[in-house]
Amino acid sequence: EPEVTQTPSHQVTQMGQEVILRCVPISNHLYFYWYRQILGQKVEFLVSFYNNEISEKSEIFDDQFSVERPDGSNFTLKIRSTKLEDSAMYFCASTGDSNQPQHFGDGTRLSIL
Amino acid sequence: GESVGLHLPTLSVQEGDNSIINCAYSNSASDYFIWYKQESGKGPQFIIDIRSNMDKRQGQRVTVLLNKTVKHLSLQIAATQPGDSAVYFCAENGRSNYKLTFGKGTLLTVNP
Repeated sequence: EPEVTQTPSHQVTQMGQEVILRCVPISNHLYFYWYRQILGQKVEFLVSFYNNEISEKSEIFDDQFSVERPDGSNFTLKIRSTKLEDSAMYFCASTGDSNQPQHFGDGTRLSIL
Repeated sequence: GESVGLHLPTLSVQEGDNSIINCAYSNSASDYFIWYKQESGKGPQFIIDIRSNMDKRQGQRVTVLLNKTVKHLSLQIAATQPGDSAVYFCAENGRSNYKLTFGKGTLLTVNP
């Protein structure tokens, strides 16, 4: 069964450094999402991406965040200057139709030191 | 504002029993609801969904019930198995096609 894959599984970065989290959505999907989950808390929406542009973003997704689909398979989340509070699990999701379930990857654990 | 919450943070059941996990939502504009299962170290895994034009939907061993009058969603798992032990999240779309709002999660523990 096709799945969303994310790399790396764990990223450790110094505060203030840039980090790029990578995702390969399911191949025929058109809608892409990033969510985050702080330890022990609920999953929070960050941003959605469709037709090569951001469709919707949350208050968390400030100017330090950006997303990109550099080619036909990858979808990336960049945090330009990381802060301690960016430490969380980051999940990528995709769907073929906005009215269908979103399918999630297993996440990247981001640890900011 | 939008909020999705769960009535119980933890639920412990015996293997073979039926489990019921509840969720309340406050956004009356939501028209699509999903239940996800999250095992330790994994991402949310889709279980079952329901649209607001339905009040019940059944899958394999799972049933979702939607009560729009009281804005309540429940997930019923029949003959619960140890492999069902996980955190269960409800999520709703708030009439947005571009995001899901998740509840806080219920930890289901199945005792052998």
